[in-house]
Amino acid sequence: DGGITQSPKYLFRKEGQNVTLSCEQNLNHDAMYWYRQDPGQGLRLIYYSQIVNDFQKGDIAEGYSVSREKKESFPLTVTSAQKNPTAFYLCASSIRGQGAPTQYFGPGTRLTVL
Amino acid sequence: QKEVEQDPGPLSVPEGAIVSLNCTYSNSAFQYFMWYRQYSRKGPELLMYTYSSGNKEDGRFTAQVDKSSKYISLFIRDSQPSDSATYLCAMKRRPNDYKLSFGAGTTVTVRA
Repeated sequence: DGGITQSPKYLFRKEGQNVTLSCEQNLNHDAMYWYRQDPGQGLRLIYYSQIVNDFQKGDIAEGYSVSREKKESFPLTVTSAQKNPTAFYLCASSIRGQGAPTQYFGPGTRLTVL
Repeated sequence: QKEVEQDPGPLSVPEGAIVSLNCTYSNSAFQYFMWYRQYSRKGPELLMYTYSSGNKEDGRFTAQVDKSSKYISLFIRDSQPSDSATYLCAMKRRPNDYKLSFGAGTTVTVRA
């Protein structure tokens, strides 16, 4: 089955620790995205990548970092610099170029800072 | 002011009722409009995708776009308990735009 997988489903972190969220897709999509979802605020774009070895900051990139070494993988690191990291994190992917219909989402990772 | 406004609800309806959801937006450049359904603790899934103004129907779902009023709607006919979810609107300006602008989502409960 083609799709997007995110792991872990739940993640707990102590203040001051960096954590990395995994996102893998087998849809052969070029573009991948990370969003953060907070109650009452909708989805906010953290980072996106159009091709391997290239990525751009979204609206709320501060305190986060990403890498895109493989087409299938786009891990997100939540650093200790992120002031309020407790949230639901969603990874998405899409085809690239003209007419790209929309983005397809993974099941999400819920991060809680203790 | 947010770029996309969506009433968070919650909205509770009896089974079989018509569910009416809507979003308003401020950027007149938006041309592509989407509705996503998100079950609790899951990722959003695409329901409808429309371009410019007009209606689009898919089974029990109808999406409407009124660009002159900067207003989009989603109607769910013959609602079922399985339709209980959060519905998110999203939009973008150009077909190859990577950035989607999302509403906050409306939580819907369909009572059996």
